[in-house]
Amino acid sequence: QQQVKQSPQSLIVQKGGISIINCAYENTAFDYFPWYQQFPGKGPALLIAIRPDVSEKKEGRFTISFNKSAKQFSLHIMDSQPGDSATYFCAARKKIGGGADGLTFGKGTHLIIQP
Amino acid sequence: DTGVSQDPRHKITKRGQNVTFRCDPISEHNRLYWYRQTLGQGPEFLTYFQNEAQLEKSRLLSDRFSAERPKGSFSTLEIQRTEQGDSAMYLCASSLGSGQANNEQFFGPGTRLTVL
Repeated sequence: QQQVKQSPQSLIVQKGGISIINCAYENTAFDYFPWYQQFPGKGPALLIAIRPDVSEKKEGRFTISFNKSAKQFSLHIMDSQPGDSATYFCAARKKIGGGADGLTFGKGTHLIIQP
Repeated sequence: DTGVSQDPRHKITKRGQNVTFRCDPISEHNRLYWYRQTLGQGPEFLTYFQNEAQLEKSRLLSDRFSAERPKGSFSTLEIQRTEQGDSAMYLCASSLGSGQANNEQFFGPGTRLTVL
């Protein structure tokens, strides 16, 4: 059972455009939702994260939108640049004290920004 | 560079051999995690430690896998009698631990295991 579903699997965006990646989760015990960026041969790097008590969080060109009732969240990359080309993963974690601290990841989105 | 280091970066072994990987977390981090990532997939949680105590193990962690963190600092992950299906990137992450609101996990570069 896939607890975090991510789409699209791959995405091509023109330089300067907006990249949008979507995730949906099923387990209401999740209360922390980070996004990671991964380049080939490297470990995932934390990009931005949100908790469900806010609907949006922005850091520079990266914004997370969160819809608690729909159990969905998305990453928006504004003014996308070729250097943003990477694989992006959404993830979720259960409440601290909820008996689990490991992250549950989506399957990833391979993003290509065309110059 | 997050400050989490892993050794070796690459390991090629023959089926049936034992392998051991090492992870050194960020120095002040109490929690240490192991994940496995296969090609084209997201990382999958294996296990984590709070200091030297192993607090959670995934169903993915078969009897052939064992992890230790003897002094609450570095950790080792051993795979016995390797199988071709064990070929993957093994990722280590660390975090400050309980009491932190977000408890962000920072990942190392991973160890790429190839089982022939």
